Amino acid sequence: EDQVTQSPEALRLQEGESSSLNCSYTVSGLRGLFWYRQDPGKGPEFLFTLYSAGEEKEKERLKATLTKKESFLHITAPKPEDSATYLCAVVYSGGGADGLTFGKGTHLIIQP
Amino acid sequence: DAGVTQSPTHLIKTRGQQVTLRCSPISGHKSVSWYQQVLGQGPQFIFQYYEKEERGRGNFPDRFSARQFPNYSSELNVNALLLGDSALYLCASSWTGGSAEQFFGPGTRLTVL
Repeated sequence: EDQVTQSPEALRLQEGESSSLNCSYTVSGLRGLFWYRQDPGKGPEFLFTLYSAGEEKEKERLKATLTKKESFLHITAPKPEDSATYLCAVVYSGGGADGLTFGKGTHLIIQP
Repeated sequence: DAGVTQSPTHLIKTRGQQVTLRCSPISGHKSVSWYQQVLGQGPQFIFQYYEKEERGRGNFPDRFSARQFPNYSSELNVNALLLGDSALYLCASSWTGGSAEQFFGPGTRLTVL
């Protein structure tokens, strides 16, 4: 069973059409949840860290929220340059290691 | 300020060979982590080092090894390469490791023939 599940796998939106990406997690002892953006052939670019349920963070057209079971990345009035794969990752207690556990990502395409 | 740097950018090896990948963290960061990313998947955790000590290890065979130097740079070594080792290898640095934000480099694309 995957510990971090992202949905949808792919999403195509028109420019200006707002939407949300979901990241659900089944790990216990969450120590942090991270959102990254990745362009093809490049390393992930850090966006947000969330540490506790109820926390929210914003950056330009992006807003990340966290509950006890999932996180949402809300994209408001997206532009074509927002097209990328968005990755969610967690660090949790009991995993035996301090590395990030990633989901498979959501491939987002914004059409002009 | 320079971000995380990795070398080489691309690498082609044949099965059975050995490879060494290098990473320099952001200035001031003392922790380095290594990840493997195959096409269409999220990165998978290989190792984390903090202050030259191994802090954690993912589910990878003993063919994978790493070390961190006094200047906090790091090397990832992979022995006896298999076709399945073909992937993008990513290095990330952070102030302290653990749950601190990790910042990624551009990666090294390894192709095993």
